[in-house]
Amino acid sequence: DQQVKQNSPSLSVQEGRISILNCDYTNSMFDYFLWYKKYPAEGPTFLISISSIKDKNEDGRFTVFLNKSAKHLSLHIVPSQPGDSAVYFCAASERSGGGADGLTFGKGTHLIIQP
Amino acid sequence: DSGVTQTPKHLITATGQRVTLRCSPRSGDLSVYWYQQSLDQGLQFLIQYYNGEERAKGNILERFSAQQFPDLHSELNLSSLELGDSALYFCASSVGSSPYEQYFGPGTRLTVT
Repeated sequence: DQQVKQNSPSLSVQEGRISILNCDYTNSMFDYFLWYKKYPAEGPTFLISISSIKDKNEDGRFTVFLNKSAKHLSLHIVPSQPGDSAVYFCAASERSGGGADGLTFGKGTHLIIQP
Repeated sequence: DSGVTQTPKHLITATGQRVTLRCSPRSGDLSVYWYQQSLDQGLQFLIQYYNGEERAKGNILERFSAQQFPDLHSELNLSSLELGDSALYFCASSVGSSPYEQYFGPGTRLTVT
């Protein structure tokens, strides 16, 4: 049973436009969400995170939006650049109370930025 | 460079064998996490150690075990290997015991033949 779902295995966006990556979760105990970026032959790199007490967090070109009622989060990248081409993973955790302390990952979305 | 190191980078071994993967966390990080990434399962949390003690267990098989040493490096031991154990194994570290941002190493690619 997948608790974190990224339904788009791949996404192609033109350079300079906005990239929107989506993620849905089913576990209502998740209260902290993260996005990681992964290049081939490297480990995932932390990008941005958001606590469930917020609905938006921004860091430069990256913004994460959280809709708790819909159990949905999204990562916006604007403007998209060629170096953004990578696999993006959504991850979630329960920082408060019970549960294992590892991150639960989605299966990733491969973002391709077209010149 | 995340500051997390993993050795070896690649490992090829036969079914039934035992291997040890090694991880050194970022300087100052007390928590070490192990993850397995296989083609069909994505990134799966295996186990966490915090300051030398097991803190949390995820989807870790009984054939697998881990430990964290006094110098905070960690080893993941995989025994009675099966073809299905072929995967990328990542180590990550974080400062505290709670799942704050984790920093990942480059991974060890294990191939079981």
